[in-house]
Amino acid sequence: GEDVEQSLFLSVREGDSSVINCTYTDSSSTYLYWYKQEPGAGLQLLTYIFSNMDMKQDQRLTVLLNKKDKHLSLRIADTQTGDSAIYFCAETSRGGNQGGKLIFGQGTELSVKP
Amino acid sequence: GAVVSQHPSRVICKSGTSVKIECRSLDFQATTMFWYRQFPKQSLMLMATSNEGSKATYEQGVEKDKFLINHASLTLSTLTVTSAHPEDSSFYICSARDPGGPQPQHFGDGTRLSIL
Repeated sequence: GEDVEQSLFLSVREGDSSVINCTYTDSSSTYLYWYKQEPGAGLQLLTYIFSNMDMKQDQRLTVLLNKKDKHLSLRIADTQTGDSAIYFCAETSRGGNQGGKLIFGQGTELSVKP
Repeated sequence: GAVVSQHPSRVICKSGTSVKIECRSLDFQATTMFWYRQFPKQSLMLMATSNEGSKATYEQGVEKDKFLINHASLTLSTLTVTSAHPEDSSFYICSARDPGGPQPQHFGDGTRLSIL
């Protein structure tokens, strides 16, 4: 079945780069997403990548997609304390496009130490 | 600004009470909305897909009679937790699909439900 997996925790120092990794199983996903959730809040879409792209950069965020290995990563450059949050990787469900159900990973809790 | 408004943000009530949570799309018409439940330190679990003008589609293991969903207009879906008990305490999040935008779903800010 469809599955998305992430490591649960990541701790970095302020100013360092953070890399959050994700693996997925559904090779038919058209889009893959990264969401950020701060305590007690809903989800905020950070960025997404179309499945025919290898890399997408948006300011401090860089997304790398390896379709062969079904591996997605999010790199946050110059990580700040305000980046501390839980980051979810998500893919659209089998047969879906942008409007399909989202399958979420378990979430990676990023802790940024000053 | 927020494109999906979810209310209330926090509810504390006694066991046996029914609680209604509203999810509104502000800038677009949402034919499809989604309801999620999230336990502490866990991922979002999809409960049901709410379709405007028709019955909701529930995920396996979710009780339809316990979690009533109504999607009577293109901008509003409601989730009613009927006869809530302490085990229903959780963080409930809604999202709305914007067919005209690049994002797959816009999320509300969630409702923290605490049943005493």
